Amino acid sequence: DADVTQTPRNRITKTGKRIMLECSQTKGHDRMYWYRQDPGLGLRLIYYSFDVKDINKGEISDGYSVSRQAQAKFSLSLESAIPNQTALYFCATSDRLGIGQPQHFGDGTRLSIL
Amino acid sequence: GDSVTQMEGPVTLSEEAFLTINCTYTATGYPSLFWYVQYPGEGLQLLLKATKADDKGSNKGFEATYRKETTSFHLEKGSVQVSDSAVYFCALTKNSGGSNYKLTFGKGTLLTVNP
Repeated sequence: DADVTQTPRNRITKTGKRIMLECSQTKGHDRMYWYRQDPGLGLRLIYYSFDVKDINKGEISDGYSVSRQAQAKFSLSLESAIPNQTALYFCATSDRLGIGQPQHFGDGTRLSIL
Repeated sequence: GDSVTQMEGPVTLSEEAFLTINCTYTATGYPSLFWYVQYPGEGLQLLLKATKADDKGSNKGFEATYRKETTSFHLEKGSVQVSDSAVYFCALTKNSGGSNYKLTFGKGTLLTVNP
């Protein structure tokens, strides 16, 4: 089983709909992240959470919200989807201890908004 | 702010060719440096990392050396295989202060290896 699981893997929806993307992890990490990937732009950070009571905005948080329901679960919501939110979305986790801790990524959710 | 610049692709090579993907960074202090690989339809996987100057990260035949004097972390492999076809991302994270969580990514380099 994957350490970082994202659901759904693919989603097509219409402008104005509310969408939730879910992420769960079995790595026991405190830190969780949501990124979006667009062609030619690399990955950009949307939100991150250091623990259940800690939520922080990333560089492109407008139009998104998140919920950290438990240490292992971190969901991303689009309250009213718009076409320019069409992208590949990744959840990631990392350990809080030590220098140079890598982030561990899920397989992504491909979201298309018509 | 911090930034990572990597060579633009796509890069197309024949099997067994030598690979170099250039990566340079701008950051204050002493960041940790990473190479991630993304195979088609999958998420990013850590390929290798280095946490201080002159460290060499290596994995699966890939290598990269942390060069502080040139602020570089170039990825190399002596003989590529078709299975190495993927997108490669260079990234950094700061090791101190309030930014020791944030990964700053380059834009990615698509590598295609032909038989």
